[in-house]
Amino acid sequence: EVQLVESGGGLVKPGGSLRLSCAASGFTFSSYSMNWVRQAPGKGLEWVSSISSSSSYIYYADSVKGRFTISRDNAKNSLYLQMNSLRAEDTAVYYCARVHGSSWYDPFDYWGQGTLVTVSS
Amino acid sequence: QSVLTQPPSVSGAPGQRVTISCTGSSSNIGAGYDVHWYQQLPGTAPKLLIYGNSNRPSGVPDRFSGSKSGTSASLAITGLQAEDEADYYCQSYDSSLSGNWVFGGGTKLTVL
Repeated sequence: EVQLVESGGGLVKPGGSLRLSCAASGFTFSSYSMNWVRQAPGKGLEWVSSISSSSSYIYYADSVKGRFTISRDNAKNSLYLQMNSLRAEDTAVYYCARVHGSSWYDPFDYWGQGTLVTVSS
Repeated sequence: QSVLTQPPSVSGAPGQRVTISCTGSSSNIGAGYDVHWYQQLPGTAPKLLIYGNSNRPSGVPDRFSGSKSGTSASLAITGLQAEDEADYYCQSYDSSLSGNWVFGGGTKLTVL
């Protein structure tokens, strides 16, 4: 059974940093591209970042570019999101999501349960 | 303001048919990129509902269908059931400088 379990969320002050993790199991993690998607309280989904299976390709939304860094450790079946210079508008539930197939344009077929990040003083 | 435009809400009685539209532009849906749809039940993570414009993943009832034409796409739900009450999001890829994956703003479906 495919499982994605996020962790690392919490309360952080503006300007602070946080590192999210996503532990994957039930599939060959190293074969799939992965994403981070966030959802602010009461709002819609916002794509944050993508990383290819071998980390060769990495992309960010303009809203987080230069502040967030996506990475993965295929040996540990884990996906990460390092978030620096956090702002109030980064407050959201952060989901990790797997890309369905080998195409970059495939949908996100499995999602974690999400981890809440709250940026507040 | 989302790149893909969805109606904020739709409603229907049990057994009825509803549709949810998703309007994009020439840099995403109109450029030929596929549209995917997700269902988000209250308090849960999104779930893939329709992929590649009109394909259903295993386990998704055939009451759910998708279509795409030009710069728009639609999700249709027939035989509405109480458990269909959820938020629905469309997704596509955007080739503009500012974006990669884009989502619609979401549509709240209320079953009356």
